[in-house]
Amino acid sequence: GDSVTQMEGPVTLSEEAFLTINCTYTATGYPSLFWYVQYPGEGLQLLLKATKADDKGSNKGFEATYRKETTSFHLEKGSVQVSDSAVYFCALMRTGRRALTFGSGTRLQVQP
Amino acid sequence: NAGVMQNPRHLVRRRGQEARLRCSPMKGHSHVYWYRQLPEEGLKFMVYLQKENIIDESGMPKERFSAEFPKEGPSILRIQQVVRGDSAAYFCASSPWDSNEKLFFGSGTQLSVL
Repeated sequence: GDSVTQMEGPVTLSEEAFLTINCTYTATGYPSLFWYVQYPGEGLQLLLKATKADDKGSNKGFEATYRKETTSFHLEKGSVQVSDSAVYFCALMRTGRRALTFGSGTRLQVQP
Repeated sequence: NAGVMQNPRHLVRRRGQEARLRCSPMKGHSHVYWYRQLPEEGLKFMVYLQKENIIDESGMPKERFSAEFPKEGPSILRIQQVVRGDSAAYFCASSPWDSNEKLFFGSGTQLSVL
């Protein structure tokens, strides 16, 4: 079945550091890929997405590139802020379905 | 435009009781999804509904769990005879009819079973 594997957290960084959160997936066909962010006490919010190979999703300084050859969708940001502290979830949606398959989440803590 | 509204935010039940979780989708959204998040895990899909129809319940446990989305009113996730293992955060999401990628999530209901 479909699955998403994320690097385990927590990831602790200093403000302005470079961020990478790894995400790899297993799925039939060519799914759409997503990153969601969950701030404390809130629901998930879509951060960015990519729907086909080599697409780059970007939002709020975050980027991720759909790599079909390595089945990966790593999240990156060049300079993190304290306000980026949250849990980040990688997810996929198979073509023709409406259900998301999520990774286990990676907690990011950014210290001033 | 209000977002996806879930209530209650916190629900405490004793083993054997029933839990009813409510979800009001965003205005104009006709599709509702329920996900469960166990501690330190990602969200797991449970069920996807349109008004008065269950479209995909492949992630729903076969016993004790049921969901509905009536013509009027919120979607309800019902858990009968709760057990400690049902303790989790239950998230609802909604989307418009013409898009399966514009999902908006509620803030969740934290169910604690004593």
